[in-house]
Amino acid sequence: AQSVTQLDSHVSVSEGTPVLLRCNYSSSYSPSLFWYVQHPNKGLQLLLKYTSAATLVKGINGFEAEFKKSETSFHLTKPSAHMSDAAEYFCVVTSSNTGKLIFGQGTTLQVKP
Amino acid sequence: DTAVSQTPKYLVTQMGNDKSIKCEQNLGHDTMYWYKQDSKKFLKIMFSYNNKELIINETVPNRFSPKSPDKAHLNLHINSLELGDSAVYFCASSRGSAARGEQPQHFGDGTRLSIL
Repeated sequence: AQSVTQLDSHVSVSEGTPVLLRCNYSSSYSPSLFWYVQHPNKGLQLLLKYTSAATLVKGINGFEAEFKKSETSFHLTKPSAHMSDAAEYFCVVTSSNTGKLIFGQGTTLQVKP
Repeated sequence: DTAVSQTPKYLVTQMGNDKSIKCEQNLGHDTMYWYKQDSKKFLKIMFSYNNKELIINETVPNRFSPKSPDKAHLNLHINSLELGDSAVYFCASSRGSAARGEQPQHFGDGTRLSIL
């Protein structure tokens, strides 16, 4: 069975400093992995996806994530945080046979001025 | 144009009532979904339809009944609402069959359901 664990429920950074949101996954096959962002009172928006192509994936708004099979990780990074990045971030893996999304618990990113 | 639109955005109602949430997507996608997000922001899939056919039906009380009149619409009807039904319900859609798994999903802005 597939599962995903986000290692931090809350991350706080200062504006202009790097962002690291950690995600580990468990999958018995080569997974599809996603990062979604949810701003307050909004739906989820896709940041980036990994589907067995390049291991370093670039997404929107300067975010990127690296797929590391040996560490079963898919951490999300950004070199310099912006105030508008404050939101909830979800790491997601897809089920092998149904394609349904399995969500991590979410990480709240706070960006301080 | 809004790609995935849900109505209403807010729904406040009494326990025991029956209510519906509507969802429409104008992306030409084949697959649509309903998710429930609880107060701790945990998201879990409830249903998935592909071309009006039920594909995924998670362990959801049968008070919840999805209906897909065509592939652009997936509505959610809830009978005999209970306090525990209070949550945010999200509709989403994706290209192709859900079983492919690699297609990103596009989400609506959610319906905030509060049961009094």
